[in-house]
Amino acid sequence: GENVEQHPSTLSVQEGDSAVIKCTYSDSASNYFPWYKQELGKRPQLIIDIRSNVGEKKDQRIAVTLNKTAKHFSLHITETQPEDSAVYFCAASFGNQFYFGTGTSLTVIP
Amino acid sequence: DAMVIQNPRYQVTQFGKPVTLSCSQTLNHNVMYWYQQKSSQAPKLLFHYYDKDFNNEADTPDNFQSRRPNTSFCFLDIRSPGLGDAAMYLCATSETSDRNEQFFGPGTRLTVL
Repeated sequence: GENVEQHPSTLSVQEGDSAVIKCTYSDSASNYFPWYKQELGKRPQLIIDIRSNVGEKKDQRIAVTLNKTAKHFSLHITETQPEDSAVYFCAASFGNQFYFGTGTSLTVIP
Repeated sequence: DAMVIQNPRYQVTQFGKPVTLSCSQTLNHNVMYWYQQKSSQAPKLLFHYYDKDFNNEADTPDNFQSRRPNTSFCFLDIRSPGLGDAAMYLCATSETSDRNEQFFGPGTRLTVL
């Protein structure tokens, strides 16, 4: 089955700086890569996603890049704000199979 | 405008006492998923339904069962809860296998005494 690794497990940045979270996957059949933000006690919220026919996608301060050859994808948050503090999960999917990374706890220091 | 609803939000049960968690959706999505999420861990997929077709993950314990009586509802049955089953249980839906963006419910936090 699919194996998704996520790094780093914790990340602290100063407000205004950028944050980068990286994931690798093992199954070349995976073709959908969502990123979720989860605040304490709340549901995962989809913040951005990318499909395998696209190399990069951007939505305001958030961007995701995908390298299919190397089987890795990354989340980039620019101009971080304290409200960006949360746990972020990547996932890799093929059809209805979803495999989550282990999560990154992001803290944005005001 | 709730799209994926889970009831109850908090459930307390006793060791070994069967419990059922409920999920409903107003999106008319074909696929419904159940995840288990323990503290500080990633959500773990237990199983999913594509319409009425049930798909169990290989490592999901037999203690966990699911029912989907119609498109809107899906239930998670835990036959004999153990202390290790205490977790947040998340329901999610997606439209199809190709349009597989997931929409999560708020979760049910299960406590086992």
